[in-house]
Amino acid sequence: EVQLLESGGGLVQPGGSLRLSCAASGFTFSSYAMNWVRQAPGKGLEWVSGIYGSGNITYYADSVKGRFTISRDNPKNTLSLQMNSLRAEDTAVYYCAKTSGGSSGWYSCFDYWGQGTLVAVSS
Amino acid sequence: DIQMTQSPSTLSAFVGDRVTITCRASQSFSTWLAWYQQKPGKAPKLLIYKASSLESGVPSRFSGSGSGTEFTLTISSLQPDDFATYYCQQYKSYPGTFGQGTKVEIK
Repeated sequence: EVQLLESGGGLVQPGGSLRLSCAASGFTFSSYAMNWVRQAPGKGLEWVSGIYGSGNITYYADSVKGRFTISRDNPKNTLSLQMNSLRAEDTAVYYCAKTSGGSSGWYSCFDYWGQGTLVAVSS
Repeated sequence: DIQMTQSPSTLSAFVGDRVTITCRASQSFSTWLAWYQQKPGKAPKLLIYKASSLESGVPSRFSGSGSGTEFTLTISSLQPDDFATYYCQQYKSYPGTFGQGTKVEIK
């Protein structure tokens, strides 16, 4: 059974940093691209970042480029998101999501999602 | 980026009604489209992929159709468990952009 378990969320001041993690199990982690998707309170879904199965190619939304870094540790089946220079508008529930096919993630939707972790940016 | 526009934003319906949600894309991309269901406080759940393929375990009352720039999600007979918010997503190109969501409410 595929399981994705996020952790690391919390309350942080504007300008601060936070590191999210997603522990994956139930599938061959290195064979699938992974993504972070966020949802601000009462709002829709926003893709944040994606990473190839190999970890060598990454993508970012313009809203987080230069501030967030996605990475993965395949031997440990863990996906991470390092978030720096946090802003109030980064407040959201952050989900990790597995792509449905292929290590690149291209032409793949998201077939499994974690339960989400809440990041609140406020002074 | 490809922009996705869903309509309506909110839909009120009775149990047993046939419900249709539309998703329009700013550019054509064949059938690289997915539909998700999200209930309050829960993660999204994949319902439909490749515009019309039903994800394993999803009830057959859900169906998807369309290609190019216009897509629809249909619930043939709305059940109490179906009251939720539905999102479309194109995944022809990175990023896989989402529609703004359609909330299906009880009438």
